[in-house]
Amino acid sequence: GENVEQHPSTLSVQEGDSAVIKCTYSDSASNYFPWYKQELGKRPQLIIDIRSNVGEKKDQRIAVTLNKTAKHFSLHITETQPEDSAVYFCAASRPGFQKLVFGTGTRLLVSP
Amino acid sequence: NAGVMQNPRHLVRRRGQEARLRCSPMKGHSHVYWYRQLPEEGLKFMVYLQKENIIDESGMPKERFSAEFPKEGPSILRIQQVVRGDSAAYFCASSPRMFGTGSESANEKLFFGSGTQLSVL
Repeated sequence: GENVEQHPSTLSVQEGDSAVIKCTYSDSASNYFPWYKQELGKRPQLIIDIRSNVGEKKDQRIAVTLNKTAKHFSLHITETQPEDSAVYFCAASRPGFQKLVFGTGTRLLVSP
Repeated sequence: NAGVMQNPRHLVRRRGQEARLRCSPMKGHSHVYWYRQLPEEGLKFMVYLQKENIIDESGMPKERFSAEFPKEGPSILRIQQVVRGDSAAYFCASSPRMFGTGSESANEKLFFGSGTQLSVL
């Protein structure tokens, strides 16, 4: 089955710096890759997603890139702010496979 | 349009008791997914249900765990004879149709409820 690995497990940056979180997946048939942000004690919230027919997608300060050949995708956050501090999860899903497989999460800490 | 509603938010049980977790999907959604999150870990798929049917329970433990989504009312995740290892956050998500059919529409996104934090003493 699908396996998603995520790195780093923790990431500390200064406010205003960029943050990059990387994920790799094992199932070449996977075609949907969402990213979720989870604050302490809260629900995971979808922040951006990308499908395999697209190489990059951007939404204000966040962007996701996908390399299908290498089977990896990354989340990029620019101009980080303290409120970006949270745990971020990547996930992958294949067509007709009614479940998301999640990475183990990255704890991002943005210091003022 | 209210989001996915879960209750209770917090549930404390002693070992051996039963836990019942409820999930009301978004209005118009007939597909429900349950995920479990252990402390410091990602979410793990448990079960996928449509109204009155279990479609995929490959992630659910074979014993003590069951799920239903009746024609009327919320979806229920039931854990019998709870043990300390069952302590986790249980999240529910819903969609108007089967997730993963490959469409570009917004219907293909999964939105989660606020979760139930189960603590087993």
